[in-house]
Amino acid sequence: AQRVTQPEKLLSVFKGAPVELKCNYSYSGSPELFWYVQYSRQRLQLLLRHISRESIKGFTADLNKGETSFHLKKPFAQEEDSAMYYCALSGFSFNKFYFGSGTKLNVKP
Amino acid sequence: EAQVTQNPRYLITVTGKKLTVTCSQNMNHEYMSWYRQDPGLGLRQIYYSMNVEVTDKGDVPEGYKVSRKEKRNFPLILESPSPNQTSLYFCASSAQGGNQPQHFGDGTRLSIL
Repeated sequence: AQRVTQPEKLLSVFKGAPVELKCNYSYSGSPELFWYVQYSRQRLQLLLRHISRESIKGFTADLNKGETSFHLKKPFAQEEDSAMYYCALSGFSFNKFYFGSGTKLNVKP
Repeated sequence: EAQVTQNPRYLITVTGKKLTVTCSQNMNHEYMSWYRQDPGLGLRQIYYSMNVEVTDKGDVPEGYKVSRKEKRNFPLILESPSPNQTSLYFCASSAQGGNQPQHFGDGTRLSIL
């Protein structure tokens, strides 16, 4: 069965510290992975997707098929990064989506 | 302004009373989808639509219906709501399937008593 696991409900770091939000997945086909973010009082929005291999707001994520992981990383966290982060999985047809339960990132000053 | 609009934003109703949550997008997007969000479970996909008159089940379709008669609208119908459908619901749309960024609505909080 398809599944996305985000083991941490809450992650607190200090400003300037590195941050890594974990995401592990289970999928029988070739996965497409995404990170979505919801800032306070804003709508859920796409942060990045593995297929484009881009860095958004200093965040990167590498798809590791061997470990079935897609961890989100940033070398120096900023207070404005505080938000709810969701890892999401789809297949090659990009129709069905599976989201993780989310990790709340709290960046302390 | 490009956006996805859901109505109502909040609704308290009783078991068995049919209700419809509307979703409209003004971006001419082909793909639309409904999710429900429950504590500890994240977002779970209910139904999606790749285009007009093309709909399919997501992960948790039981108890829900959808229709896609026009490109811009994708209503979610609960024919006989039950308390286990109390949840926060999100509608989303994207240009060409989920590969393009999904634009989400503000959410609809439903309470079924």
